Amino acid sequence: NAGVTQTPKFQVLKTGQSMTLQCAQDMNHEYMSWYRQDPGMGLRLIHYSVGAGITDQGEVPNGYNVSRSTTEDFPLRLLSAAPSQTSVYFCASSTDRRTEAFFGQGTRLTVV
Amino acid sequence: LAKTTQPISMDSYEGQEVNITCSHNNIATNDYITWYQQFPSQGPRFIIQGYKTKVTNEVASLFIPADRKSSTLSLPRVSLSDTAVYYCLVAEGNAGNMLTFGGGTRLMVKP
Repeated sequence: NAGVTQTPKFQVLKTGQSMTLQCAQDMNHEYMSWYRQDPGMGLRLIHYSVGAGITDQGEVPNGYNVSRSTTEDFPLRLLSAAPSQTSVYFCASSTDRRTEAFFGQGTRLTVV
Repeated sequence: LAKTTQPISMDSYEGQEVNITCSHNNIATNDYITWYQQFPSQGPRFIIQGYKTKVTNEVASLFIPADRKSSTLSLPRVSLSDTAVYYCLVAEGNAGNMLTFGGGTRLMVKP
């Protein structure tokens, strides 16, 4: 049972480039979310989804897009990378918002 | 959005009991209080969840008073490996389906 899988683990982008961070879960969870964590800080919610075809904005959605075409996958797209988006990104999934959330190992992104 | 309030940091020694309190004045009537643990370079990991009174599992206990405006995570006999950041999460009444983290409490366990 793989749980929540994030790829890539590390990525360096140039300012202005775009990319997609992948997140997949094999637990048939309806609720999925993306967080970013800056050094020494807590996690901030970017976007979340309560099921396939449904997404919504979190606390810091600007500069990011998401889609949820399947229950398993919840990719996060950076439209035009900026140095301020340098961070560690975590994907999480759970049955619903109230239940135990399982987190991936994170993607460490550096924008230069 | 209203946030939870926790101490920024705490120090303890091996073998001691550690209590971390979280304030959540605007907790939704039907919502739970959940605590997570995060080690450096890892994603958060679920520790315990409760609605009221007391919950205990093999790792920790969670104490919730009747008004549910605060909760206390209790870690019995901590070891060096309990050094981590601990987050208290609740859903706010007007937050819909968002699950937001606060700043957490950085626990340092010393030998």
